[in-house]
Amino acid sequence: QSVLTQPPSVSAAPGQKVTISCSGGSSNIGNNFVFWYQQFPGAAPQLLIYDNNKRPSGIPDRFSGSKSGTSGTLGITGLQTGDEADYYCGTWDTRLSAYVFGTGTKVAVL
Amino acid sequence: EVQLVESGGGLVQPGGSLRLSCAASGFTFTKNWMTWVRQAPGKGLEWVANIKQDGGEKYYVDSVKGRFTISRDNARNSLHLQMDSLRVEDTAVYYCVRDGLCGGDCLDHWGQGTLVTVSS
Repeated sequence: QSVLTQPPSVSAAPGQKVTISCSGGSSNIGNNFVFWYQQFPGAAPQLLIYDNNKRPSGIPDRFSGSKSGTSGTLGITGLQTGDEADYYCGTWDTRLSAYVFGTGTKVAVL
Repeated sequence: EVQLVESGGGLVQPGGSLRLSCAASGFTFTKNWMTWVRQAPGKGLEWVANIKQDGGEKYYVDSVKGRFTISRDNARNSLHLQMDSLRVEDTAVYYCVRDGLCGGDCLDHWGQGTLVTVSS
């Protein structure tokens, strides 16, 4: 059972915007950076957002991240069919002394 | 180019053992923590363990403590996961992952994974 909670799925039409929430607590998101990972079917995950709101090279600026208190948010603007994937948040949990992932969110483009 | 190539997966009976390996290249291996993450079929990601650059610190998820051992060979740029007393619920794709040099623990490069199936 994950300590980080995400909605199971979000959807929107092409060109629209979606946001994915990641709810945690004081021992994880509240005191650490939030990271986001993107995973296409049958592929390994890839880092999408690091240190709450930074994008690795090659990640388009349509993807953004933010953090407030014990929650993080991933935003995707200008939604494309190629964005259909599973998205996971993650961070270190100082109480568990372990890295924790969110429950995962499937993005669908209508 | 960073490359992480896992090997050692396969079919094993409950109670058995397996040793996973990860060959790392394209970066200075001794600069990074390294991590194992797994994903059961159709399920989400689960962090398994990580290890400090010099091997002096190791952390494990509760479900594998006492059964799995993470290690590294810096001379050979390799990461390992010794898995003993395997259970059916350990069935998953196991990914070798590099901890990037970010403000926090960013898992910035992933291998393609190796499948471990625990079944009788």
